[in-house]
Amino acid sequence: LAKTTQPISMDSYEGQEVNITCSHNNIATNDYITWYQQFPSQGPRFIIQGYKTKVTNEVASLFIPADRKSSTLSLPRVSLSDTAVYYCLVGDDTGTASKLTFGTGTRLQVTL
Amino acid sequence: ETGVTQSPTHLIKTRGQQVTLRCSSQSGHNTVSWYQQALGQGPQFIFQYYREEENGRGNFPPRFSGLQFPNYSSELNVNALELDDSALYLCASSLPGNSPLHFGNGTRLTVT
Repeated sequence: LAKTTQPISMDSYEGQEVNITCSHNNIATNDYITWYQQFPSQGPRFIIQGYKTKVTNEVASLFIPADRKSSTLSLPRVSLSDTAVYYCLVGDDTGTASKLTFGTGTRLQVTL
Repeated sequence: ETGVTQSPTHLIKTRGQQVTLRCSSQSGHNTVSWYQQALGQGPQFIFQYYREEENGRGNFPPRFSGLQFPNYSSELNVNALELDDSALYLCASSLPGNSPLHFGNGTRLTVT
């Protein structure tokens, strides 16, 4: 399983763009990169998933360079409600077995 | 669309006892994964069930066991509870492969 490394914490002001980078040097050919958000006492919530280049949805963008050894989650114009822990996961797709390994995540604190 | 529901939300048990946690998967999802999340840590993969069969297991002892039923709901059983089993237990449902995990809000287990 590919191991991921993220910053332990980040601080931002409301309205700024936040970029969280994740390293996954031993990512496998079939692996996808998935990001989750977790608030206290809740389960993680899916944000975005990608395989290569760039993916964008209504809440975030995911940038993946050609070598796929890292990825960057971009949150545009964060608000106080974006204060949460963000997890980068690299998926091990073996057909029927999909075991996503969570790291310790990045704790994002957004202030006024 | 019904999301993932877990019961109970909170539970207090004594060391040595046994516990059963329950999970109803999201409609249409046939894969269920269980995670243990200690305070301040990322979720740790326990095991996954696909079509009522265990489909992968993390680094947890055999006293952690599970079941998946024909309606894709699932149970996590833990025997001979230890103090270190105190954690938030998360259930996630998904489609097979690299599809995103949809988490419930967990069961908070306290072992005294």
